[in-house]
Amino acid sequence: QVQLQESGPGLVKPSQTLSLTCSVSGGSITNGDYYWSWIRQHPGKGLEWIGYIYYSGTAYYNVSLRSRAVILVDTSTNHFSLKLTSVTAADTAVYYCASVLDAYRNPYFDYWGQGTLVTVSS
Amino acid sequence: QSVLTQPPSVSGAPGQRVTISCTGSSSNIGAGYNVHWYQQLPGTAPKLLIYGNNNRPSGVPDRFSGSKSGTSASLAITGLQAEDEADYYCQSYDSSLRGSIFGGGTKLTAL
Repeated sequence: QVQLQESGPGLVKPSQTLSLTCSVSGGSITNGDYYWSWIRQHPGKGLEWIGYIYYSGTAYYNVSLRSRAVILVDTSTNHFSLKLTSVTAADTAVYYCASVLDAYRNPYFDYWGQGTLVTVSS
Repeated sequence: QSVLTQPPSVSGAPGQRVTISCTGSSSNIGAGYNVHWYQQLPGTAPKLLIYGNNNRPSGVPDRFSGSKSGTSASLAITGLQAEDEADYYCQSYDSSLRGSIFGGGTKLTAL
């Protein structure tokens, strides 16, 4: 089965760019059935979808984050990544990567990484 | 405030049946988009529990079931066990927002 693992800095300064990578194992990121997603969870709060990407590079974003978020895919290393610019304390959250099925019609997230806490603070 | 509305908490005694509701609108559940459910045990990542309204991934006990009607959906748990204590989230797609949406989550307590 697919396994996902997030990595990246746990502390980012305000106004800087948050950068995270998700490593996919147990399957190819070029599997045409899947999209690949980032989701975050603010401390003690619910889940917020950030966006997802297909292996071709086509990406879709939450309208509330579209101006600051970029998701990229690297098929040569089986990774995909998230960059979130101009971060503030409101971006402090646990960030999850996940695999997405049926993305065109009824997307759902079948496998999740363990999550990584990113704190925005000076 | 989440686009999908869930009760903040529910509780039940071991062995009982509990249900968690998820209320949406005409641009998501009411538009025919499927509802999916996730279980998040304390300190862990969410796990897919129900997909496509009422389908269980391999390994999920048949004590868990989902249903959908109109602009709402429900998750039912029968034979409640202490290990079911977790946060539960519904998720769907919204055509107005053009993206995936989650409910605010429901904390289940086994009394």
